[in-house]
Formats: sequence, C-alpha cells, structure tokens
Amino acid sequence: AQTVTQSQPEMSVQEAETVTLSCTYDTSESDYYLFWYKQPPSRQMILVIRQEAYKQQNATENRFSVNFQKAAKSFSLKISDSQLGDAAMYFCAYSNFGNEKLTFGTGTRLTIIP
Amino acid sequence: EPEVTQTPSHQVTQMGQEVILRCVPISNHLYFYWYRQILGQKVEFLVSFYNNEISEKSEIFDDQFSVERPDGSNFTLKIRSTKLEDSAMYFCASSDWEKQGSPLHFGNGTRLTVT
Repeated sequence: AQTVTQSQPEMSVQEAETVTLSCTYDTSESDYYLFWYKQPPSRQMILVIRQEAYKQQNATENRFSVNFQKAAKSFSLKISDSQLGDAAMYFCAYSNFGNEKLTFGTGTRLTIIP
Repeated sequence: EPEVTQTPSHQVTQMGQEVILRCVPISNHLYFYWYRQILGQKVEFLVSFYNNEISEKSEIFDDQFSVERPDGSNFTLKIRSTKLEDSAMYFCASSDWEKQGSPLHFGNGTRLTVT
C-alpha cells in the first residue's frame, strides 16, 4: 500500500518570504500522480498543484512550485512571496495511475507572520 | 467554475440515529468519492463510486455505511446507526475520469457531530 509522510506538523514564514513544505511517499508503482491540497480554516480542500510522475519537469502554478525527486520519492512544495491568505493546512496526496483514489499525508499547518 | 456542493454544512445527531449526508457532484464527472477527516487528523478515504456501484471501499466503510446515487445529480452517504467515533468532517469529491489523473474536486464538507 502507498503511504505519504509529511514530517513537519507546523511551519511558519514571514510574509513575502519563501517557504518549503516537505513530503515523502512510498510506492512500488512507476506511474502515479502527486498533489498538494490546501485546507484553509473554512475546511474546504483546494487543489494547489499536481505533478505527473512520468514528467521530469517540476510543476509550477504562479507562486507555487514543486521539487519532485522521483528516485528519492520526495515531493516538496515551495511557496514564494508568501501572503496572509496562504495560511492553511497543506496536505500532500498520492494517487495511482488509473485510480483517482487519494492517499493523504498528515498535513502541515502553515502560519504566515505579518 | 463548477463546484461540488454538500448539504448540510453541519449535522448534529444522537448516537444510534441514522444520518444521510448529501452531495451534488460536478455534472459531467463520472467518479464520486467520500472522505472523512476526524478533527486534527488526516483525510481518510471511505469509498469510491462509478457506474452506479461501489468501485472501492476502505476498512472504515463497514456495514453501517452505504452510498447511493438516487437520481442523476445527488450522491448520498448514509450512516445507519451513528457512533460517537463517527463525529468528523465528511467530504464528497468528484473527478472526470476520462482525463487520466484528473484531480479530485472537493465539496466544502459536512461536519457531523454525534452526541
């Protein structure tokens, strides 16, 4: 079974600075997808970014980018120019190719310091 | 942008009562899911549903749980006899399976409190 590990329960960053959230995963599959979801206090789950494992290029989405290291099974999220609205719980998630079921990590609570 | 909608946003029920949580997935999506998040814990998969039947379910999804798509738009989760430990946030999600690896779109969740 696949597992997703987020080793940082909490992180904080000064507004406008850059922060990196860590995620590692374990799988025996070669084709899969990785995601970062954001959960603000409203509790809604919002997709931040998605990475296909067969693509070597790291995904980017405006101020959000990932560092995908397939051999190391690492998938970190970098948030540049942090804004107050980025404060949330961030979940790393995994799905197999051909099965959209998500396996989530335990989350990292990100605090933005004004 | 189309959204997944869930009702109610908060449900309080007494232990042993039946509850039905309702979801309206995005209209052209084919796969539907329920996830659960106990307060302070990670989001856990309950069940996936495709072509009017369960495609996969977790160990959590025991005989007390059932899902149904009673018409062309609603997708419901029923808990037959609620227990205190069923208190959690329940998220419905849907995806467009025709696009491989399409992300799940989540609703805002239903907070279930069992007293």
